This record gives sequence, C-alpha cells and structure tokens, in this order.
Amino acid sequence: GENVEQHPSTLSVQEGDSAVIKCTYSDSASNYFPWYKQELGKRPQLIIDIRSNVGEKKDQRIAVTLNKTAKHFSLHITETQPEDSAVYFCAASSPGGGADGLTFGKGTHLIIQP
Amino acid sequence: KAGVTQTPRYLIKTRGQQVTLSCSPISGHRSVSWYQQTPGQGLQFLFEYFSETQRNKGNFPGRFSGRQFSNSRSEMNVSTLELGDSALYLCASSLAQSSYNSPLHFGNGTRLTVT
Repeated sequence: GENVEQHPSTLSVQEGDSAVIKCTYSDSASNYFPWYKQELGKRPQLIIDIRSNVGEKKDQRIAVTLNKTAKHFSLHITETQPEDSAVYFCAASSPGGGADGLTFGKGTHLIIQP
Repeated sequence: KAGVTQTPRYLIKTRGQQVTLSCSPISGHRSVSWYQQTPGQGLQFLFEYFSETQRNKGNFPGRFSGRQFSNSRSEMNVSTLELGDSALYLCASSLAQSSYNSPLHFGNGTRLTVT
C-alpha cells in the first residue's frame, strides 16, 4: 500500500519568512496530492492540491511542487502570517484507492513566531 | 450550504461497549469517507461509501463497520470497544464519485473516549 512520510514534524519560522514542508510517497501510481490545514480544535480544510500531470501549482502565498521521478512533493508558504499557525497534512492517493483511500502524512506543526 | 455534520461531538464509553457515530454530508455529495485521527498515527482511512455501497475499506479490524443510507447520510459502528479506539473520528464528503482523488470536506468530528 501507499506510504507517505512528512518532514519536519514541527517547524518554527519568523513571521514574514517562508516555510517549506516536504513529503515523500511510495506508490508510483499515486496521482493526486492534496494538502490540508488543521487549526487547533478545528476540522482539516483543503488548502491546495496537485495532480500528477502538473509539476507546480500556486495560490497566492501558497505553492505546491511535485517531483514524480523522486516521488516527493512540497508545500511552500511565503510571507508567513500568524494565521498560518496550524498543523499541515500532506496526502497521496492512487487511482484505485483500495485499502489506503487517501493516505496522509503524520502532519507538520507550523509555528509562526511574532 | 450547510457543511458536513457529525453527531455526537463527544462520546465517553466503557471498554466492551459499542458505539454508533453519524454523519450528514453536504447536500448533493454522495461520497462519504471516514477517518480515524490520533496523535500518534495521524489520519487513517477507515472506509468509503458511494450510493449506499462500500467502495473501499482500510486496514481496521472487523469491529469497525459502516453503512450509507439512500439520502447519503452515513453511520459508522464500533463494537467491543478497546482503549485504543479512543480517537477523533472524522467524516468527509466529496462531490466526486471517488473521494480519494478529489477534495474532501470534513466535519468537526466525534471525539470518542473509551475508559
């Protein structure tokens, strides 16, 4: 089945700096890679996603890059703000879903220091 | 449009008991999936339903089961509860037929504590 590794588990950055979270996946057939943000005590919410036919996608201060050859994808947040503080989860899924469904990484706790 | 609604928000049960959790998807969403969230394991896939049919099942014991009704509402049941079942159970709905490769809309979850 699919296995997703996410690093780092905790990331502390100064407000205004950039943050990068990296994930690797094991199943070369995986073709959908979403990122979810979960604020404390709240539900996970999709912030951006990318499919395997695209190498990069941007949405304002957030971007995701995908390297299919190396089987890794990254989330980039620029000009970080206090409201970016949350746990971020990457995920990967293969076309069939199977017993893995959408496989999530274990999360990165992003802390924005004022 | 109302979001995904999960009831109850909190549950405290004793080992050996059984529990039923409920999920109402966003109107028009026919795909519902369930995830278990724990601090150590993160989010783990339980199962996925579409049009009352279970499409995929995660690697959980048979004590975990679910179903979906004709109005797309879903329930999951856990029998013979164990301490390790304590977790936040999240339901998510999706507009697409396959929830695993399309955006998920999560509910607030049901916090289950087994004592």
